[in-house]
Amino acid sequence: AQSVTQLGSHVSVSEGALVLLRCNYSSSVPPYLFWYVQYPNQGLQLLLKYTSAATLVKGINGFEAEFKKSETSFHLTKPSAHMSDAAEYFCAVSDRVKLVFGAGTILRVKS
Amino acid sequence: KAGVTQTPRYLIKTRGQQVTLSCSPISGHRSVSWYQQTPGQGLQFLFEYFSETQRNKGNFPGRFSGRQFSNSRSEMNVSTLELGDSALYLCASSLDSAEEDTQYFGPGTRLTVL
Repeated sequence: AQSVTQLGSHVSVSEGALVLLRCNYSSSVPPYLFWYVQYPNQGLQLLLKYTSAATLVKGINGFEAEFKKSETSFHLTKPSAHMSDAAEYFCAVSDRVKLVFGAGTILRVKS
Repeated sequence: KAGVTQTPRYLIKTRGQQVTLSCSPISGHRSVSWYQQTPGQGLQFLFEYFSETQRNKGNFPGRFSGRQFSNSRSEMNVSTLELGDSALYLCASSLDSAEEDTQYFGPGTRLTVL
C-alpha cells in the first residue's frame, strides 16, 4: 500500500531563509507524488506534481521538489521564504484510486 | 475556468440529524472525490464518483453516502450524525481518475456536530 511520511509537524524559518519540507513515500508502483498547500479555512491548493517526467519539478510561488528514487523522497524547497508562505503543507501519493496524504507540516515564517 | 465550488461553507448540526453537502466540479471534469479532514485522523478518502457511479470507496461506515448527477455535480450525505463527524469535508475534481490526473480541491464545508 502507498504511504507518505512527512518529517516534522512544525517547521519555523526566518523570512528570506531556505524552506525545506521533508517527505518520504512508500509505493508498490512508480509513484505519482504531489505537494498541496492549505491556508487557514481554505481547501487544498496544488503546488506541484511528479508523474515520472523530470525529477526536479517546479511549482507555483517559487517552490520546487526533487524526486529521489534511491531515497524514496520528494522534499519541497523554496530558496527564500516569504511571510505569505506561512501555511500547512501536505505531501501526497496517488495509489491510482485516491490520494494518500501525509500528516502535514505547518510552516511558520518569522519576520 | 471556475474552480471547484462547495456549498454550504459552514454547517452546524446536532447529533442524530442528517446533512447533505454539495460539490460542483470544474467544468469538463467527470470525476469527483470526497475527503474528510480532522485534526486526529488527517485527510482520509471517503469515495469517488465517475459518470454517476461510485467507483471507489474508503473505509467509512454506511452512514456516509454520496451520489453524482449527469452534470457531474456531486452530493454527499451523512445520516445519524455523531460528534466525531465534525470535520472539514473536501471535494476534489479531476478530468478522470485515471493515472496521471490531478485532483483539484474546493474550499471545503466545515461541519460541526453538537
